[in-house]
Amino acid sequence: EVQVLESGGGLVQPGGSLRLSCAASGFTFSGYAMSWVRQAQGKGLEWVSTLSGNSAGIWYADSVKGRFTISRDNSKNTLYLQMNSLRAEDTAVYYCAKKGGTSSDVWFDPWGQGTLVTVSS
Amino acid sequence: EIVMTQSPATLSVSPGERVTLSCRASQSVSSKSAWYQQKPGQAPRLLIYDASTRATGIPARFSGSGSGTEFTLTISSLQSEDFAVYYCQQYNNWPLTFGGGTKVEIK
Repeated sequence: EVQVLESGGGLVQPGGSLRLSCAASGFTFSGYAMSWVRQAQGKGLEWVSTLSGNSAGIWYADSVKGRFTISRDNSKNTLYLQMNSLRAEDTAVYYCAKKGGTSSDVWFDPWGQGTLVTVSS
Repeated sequence: EIVMTQSPATLSVSPGERVTLSCRASQSVSSKSAWYQQKPGQAPRLLIYDASTRATGIPARFSGSGSGTEFTLTISSLQSEDFAVYYCQQYNNWPLTFGGGTKVEIK
């Protein structure tokens, strides 16, 4: 069964840092792009970042560019999101998601259960 | 950035009814759109990709159609487990973008 499982969320002060992890299983991790998508409480979905299977392709939303860094360790089947200079508006549930299908198109399937990041003093 | 606009924001429906949800892109995304279902407290689940292809395990009552800028998700006969929020997404251009969602609630 294909699964992704996030961890690393928590409470952090404005300006602080946090690193999220996403452990994947049930598929050839290195063969698929992986993404982070976030959702503020009561709001819609916002794409954050995508990293290709070989780490050659990296894409960020403008709202996080320069502050967040996506990376992966294919030997550990794990995706990361290093979040620096955190702001109150970064407060959200962060989902990890595998790229669906085998083409270069990026839709999300499956999603993890999410990890909550709260930025507050 | 391509803006995805979903309508209506909320839909009140009785079980057994046919439901049609709309999603409009601010510019053409070809057929590169997907639909997701999200229930309270749960992660989103993929329903449809490439505008009209059902994901694995998705019941046949869910169907997608459209191309270019207009997309539709149809639920042929709403079941109790279908009350949820539905999101569309485009993947034709970066940044990837989602619609604001349509909440399907019990009438």
